[in-house]
Amino acid sequence: GESVGLHLPTLSVQEGDNSIINCAYSNSASDYFIWYKQESGKGPQFIIDIRSNMDKRQGQRVTVLLNKTVKHLSLQIAATQPGDSAVYFCAERQAGNQFYFGTGTSLTVIP
Amino acid sequence: DAGITQSPRHKVTETGTPVTLRCHQTENHRYMYWYRQDPGHGLRLIHYSYGVKDTDKGEVSDGYSVSRSKTEDFLLTLESATSSQTSVYFCAISEQRSSYEQYFGPGTRLTVT
Repeated sequence: GESVGLHLPTLSVQEGDNSIINCAYSNSASDYFIWYKQESGKGPQFIIDIRSNMDKRQGQRVTVLLNKTVKHLSLQIAATQPGDSAVYFCAERQAGNQFYFGTGTSLTVIP
Repeated sequence: DAGITQSPRHKVTETGTPVTLRCHQTENHRYMYWYRQDPGHGLRLIHYSYGVKDTDKGEVSDGYSVSRSKTEDFLLTLESATSSQTSVYFCAISEQRSSYEQYFGPGTRLTVT
């Protein structure tokens, strides 16, 4: 999951297994959340978003769950593939148009 | 990919010199952002713009200035670069109608020696 510190949390999964990446956000007033994927040497890429009035949202092979009680987000990736290897960030929208990003989790898919 | 380019892609400069990074978009999006990315900190907002000549500070704006004279261009200037500004800089754009999704550019790696 997400953490503050110098070392990126890591997650290794076997190809075909499901992955769960966690994120703790900071502000209970945040009203919108995004998950991004960042491959090495590239900019972050949008995966899925969720508004604070929802608990769950599904996309293609991905599901985001939001637990506002404990300020926790998770990203579930079904049938993980080698192309899913990347760093995953959550971002929360706070006041105005500013987003605050987590430090990221590095996902490695083992063939 | 959204039409966002950043220039230069890589730059090495000396402490005390001015540096300008450019972000160019072809999507006509209203919002543009500058972030820096450092190990252990994730992405942090430096400045953003919500229209031509309309800008605001982000979380880590000290030592940086921005300008947006045209919809398509957003410039980030380090007036006097310091080693602490060594980082990877990302530009992002957003329309913020049905979604707040931001589209990111490829990044600029800046090294201040």
